[in-house]
Amino acid sequence: DAKTTQPPSMDCAEGRAANLPCNHSTISGNEYVYWYRQIHSQGPQYIIHGLKNNETNEMASLIITEDRKSSTLILPHATLRDTAVYYCMITTISNFGNEKLTFGTGTRLTIIP
Amino acid sequence: KAGVTQTPRYLIKTRGQQVTLSCSPISGHRSVSWYQQTPGQGLQFLFEYFSETQRNKGNFPGRFSGRQFSNSRSEMNVSTLELGDSALYLCASSPGQLSYEQYFGPGTRLTVT
Repeated sequence: DAKTTQPPSMDCAEGRAANLPCNHSTISGNEYVYWYRQIHSQGPQYIIHGLKNNETNEMASLIITEDRKSSTLILPHATLRDTAVYYCMITTISNFGNEKLTFGTGTRLTIIP
Repeated sequence: KAGVTQTPRYLIKTRGQQVTLSCSPISGHRSVSWYQQTPGQGLQFLFEYFSETQRNKGNFPGRFSGRQFSNSRSEMNVSTLELGDSALYLCASSPGQLSYEQYFGPGTRLTVT
């Protein structure tokens, strides 16, 4: 699986949009971009994933550049509960789904009141 | 639906002992994955089971083993414990076919003294 690069930490004001970048310049054509987050002392939580099109769900939006070498996770209106470590991952999906996640060091996002 | 449950939540063992951790996946989920999380190495994939068969394996020594039962419940075993095995062990489940996200349990905190 391709590796990712994320900033180690970021701050965002409560109520503003949090934009978390991820570089994955060695991504290959069949690899998906995945985002999970981990709130302190809890198991990771799935946020969103995408292949090449931008994606949006109730939690966040995922913007993938046209060359697929980088992406941005957007939390549109950050709240204090969004304080967590956010992991960007690149992984393949087989016919059985996504069976193996390779977590990097992630970005520690702190929402400031 | 009830979430992924892991037992016990906390465990203290002595070096050289063995330990068995248990994971009950979400009802209907057939895939169970195990991860180890330490401050130094982060989140690392151990192995994944589907329909009682190990389908994926990470880069861990043979002291780490697992199994899955016919009801999809899974156990992982660590023999001859070392101080470096102190970690949070996380279990995640997914339907196992055409599924895109994994659902994590709260983890078992293992301390080896």
